[in-house]
Amino acid sequence: QSVLTQPPSVSGAPGQRVTISCTGSSSNIGAGYDVHWYQQLPGTAPKLLIYGNSNRPSGVPDRFSGSKSDTSASLAITGLQAEDEADYYCQSYDTSLSESGVFGGGTKLTVL
Amino acid sequence: EVQLVQSGAEVKKPGESLKISCETSGYTFTNYWIGWVRQMPGKGLEWMGIIYPGDSDTRYGPSFQGQVTISADKSISTAYLQWSSLKASDTAMYYCARRTGSASWFDPWGQGTLVTVSS
Repeated sequence: QSVLTQPPSVSGAPGQRVTISCTGSSSNIGAGYDVHWYQQLPGTAPKLLIYGNSNRPSGVPDRFSGSKSDTSASLAITGLQAEDEADYYCQSYDTSLSESGVFGGGTKLTVL
Repeated sequence: EVQLVQSGAEVKKPGESLKISCETSGYTFTNYWIGWVRQMPGKGLEWMGIIYPGDSDTRYGPSFQGQVTISADKSISTAYLQWSSLKASDTAMYYCARRTGSASWFDPWGQGTLVTVSS
């Protein structure tokens, strides 16, 4: 069981908007730690998608956006494309784990 | 260009030892943390630990403390993950990745090293 909770799966049709939640607690996201998001395409290494809650690295389309509030964070994807079908993971840190890094359990995005 | 290149796939027997590597290039190795992440077959990412090559400060995730050893060789800009006695449950893909700063993100990532432990 991950310290950060994500829905196991989400889906949407091409062109639609989907959101993926990442729910934590007062010892991680609620403690002020930033949330980062990664995209893992099938058979490949994870890739940084959003850092510092809402910042996009160079090359990441602006269809991807992130937000954080209280003890949770969200990743939003607008204008869904077939190539967005992947696993998505949130990541933060946790004071109850000696400030160890923690990942969410991951969310499988299916583009219908 | 910052690159992390990991060593190749390994097939080992239970009880054997193993050391896998993560060779870095394109930046000053001693100025950034390097982390290791486990992904068991069909499962999610798990934060194993990190090392700061500048002074070898090493931190382990609670589930991995005492189970693995993370090290680094500054002379060849390479980080390592090692086991003294492998178990079948160590079968997984292992990724290394560079961490930018305190409580920070991982970017970029290595391509991964598949470790298979089977009798």
